[in-house]
Amino acid sequence: QSALTQPPSASGSPGQSVTISCTGTNSDVGGYNYVSWYQQNPGKAPKLMIYEVTKRPSGVPDRFSGSKSGNTASLTVSGLRAEDEADYYCSSYAGSIPVVFGGGTKLTVL
Amino acid sequence: QVQLHESGPGLVKPSETLALTCTVSGGSLSSFYWSWIRQSPGKGLEWIGYVYHTGITNYNPSLKSRVTMSADTSKNQVSLELNSVTSADTAVYYCARDNMGASNFDYWGRGTLVTVSS
Repeated sequence: QSALTQPPSASGSPGQSVTISCTGTNSDVGGYNYVSWYQQNPGKAPKLMIYEVTKRPSGVPDRFSGSKSGNTASLTVSGLRAEDEADYYCSSYAGSIPVVFGGGTKLTVL
Repeated sequence: QVQLHESGPGLVKPSETLALTCTVSGGSLSSFYWSWIRQSPGKGLEWIGYVYHTGITNYNPSLKSRVTMSADTSKNQVSLELNSVTSADTAVYYCARDNMGASNFDYWGRGTLVTVSS
C-alpha cells in the first residue's frame, strides 16, 4: 500500500482537461510544499513534470500544472493530447522518511 | 547534459546480496542527493534511500535493515547493496538525482532489471 493515494485511472478526450489527485497527510503533502509529479511511459524511466507543487522544469509544456489544497495535491493536464497518455506518479517530502510516492494513475486519452 | 547509468548483475539468487552501481556523467556528485528507487513489475515506485555526496545516507524504514549505499566522488559513482534478497526484491532499479533531498528527482537513469531467482 502506497503512502500517498492516487486514483488508479483517469481519462479525457483530446483537448479536454483532466485532473489527477494525490492525497496524503499533514506529515507529507499537507506539511510541506515539496510535491512532485512524474510522467512514465511504458518501459521508460519517470520524467519530472512538476516540482515544489507548482513549478515546471524547463521543457515541460505549460499544459501541465500543479496545485495543492490541504493534504491533497493535484496535477491538471489541459488541452489533452494523445502523447499525454502515460502513468503519472506523485511524490512528497515526508520529513524523516523523507520520500513517499503515490500508487500511480494511468491516464488514458480517449 | 547529466546522464545516469545503472549497472550490475541482472540475476541474483535468493538470500544473496544485490549490488548495483550508478555512474554519473556530465556532472558532479557534489551538492546533490542520489536516490535509488525501484519498481516491481507492473507496480508503482518505491523509494529505497539516498546518499549525499559526503556519504550521509537516509533509508526507507521498510528496507533499512538490509540496505547500504555509498558515494565515490573520485569515480563519480554511487552504489547500492541490498542483502538477504527474496523474490519480492525483483524489480527495475533506478538511480535518480535530487537537488534538495525532498523528492525532486530531475535526472533518472534508464533503470536496470534485477531478477531474484535460483
